[in-house]
Amino acid sequence: EPEVTQTPSHQVTQMGQEVILRCVPISNHLYFYWYRQILGQKVEFLVSFYNNEISEKSEIFDDQFSVERPDGSNFTLKIRSTKLEDSAMYFCASKRTDQNYGYTFGSGTRLTVV
Amino acid sequence: DAKTTQPTSMDCAEGRAANLPCNHSTISGNEYVYWYRQIHSQGPQYIIHGLKNNETNEMASLIITEDRKSSTLILPHATLRDTAVYYCIVRANDYKLSFGAGTTVTVRA
Repeated sequence: EPEVTQTPSHQVTQMGQEVILRCVPISNHLYFYWYRQILGQKVEFLVSFYNNEISEKSEIFDDQFSVERPDGSNFTLKIRSTKLEDSAMYFCASKRTDQNYGYTFGSGTRLTVV
Repeated sequence: DAKTTQPTSMDCAEGRAANLPCNHSTISGNEYVYWYRQIHSQGPQYIIHGLKNNETNEMASLIITEDRKSSTLILPHATLRDTAVYYCIVRANDYKLSFGAGTTVTVRA
């Protein structure tokens, strides 16, 4: 079964450093998403991406965050200057175009900011 | 997106059917009911979705009431690997899922 692949599985970074989380969505999917989950809390929507632009973003997705699909296969989330409160699991997801399919999520990247 | 109400937790015996309720009394006519689950901090996993008809796939069945104000996810023969947090989500557009707290289901041997 096709999978959404996320790398790395765990990233430790110092506060103030930039991090890039990488995702390879399923090849025929056209909608792409990032979600995050702080330990013990709900899964939160960050951003959706379609047709090479952001479709919707949440209040969490401020100027420190950016997304990119640089080469038609990878989908990246960049955090420019990490804060302690950015520590969370970050999940990438992708979806086909039509309503009759659910999202496929990756297994996540655990980001720890120290 | 319409809000949903789910029980905080429930236990289920291994091998028995697990019936997970969800209330979505403010659902709109174009909103689908989706169910996802999350096994111990893994990525959420899609289970099933429906608009107004009952649906069944290899994982579960979804029963939606005629007025669409509530639904039930049925896991026909629960196994220990079905222990997870189950999320009922209603949505209309393609852009995002709004996860609530879900129901923590514990399957006991």
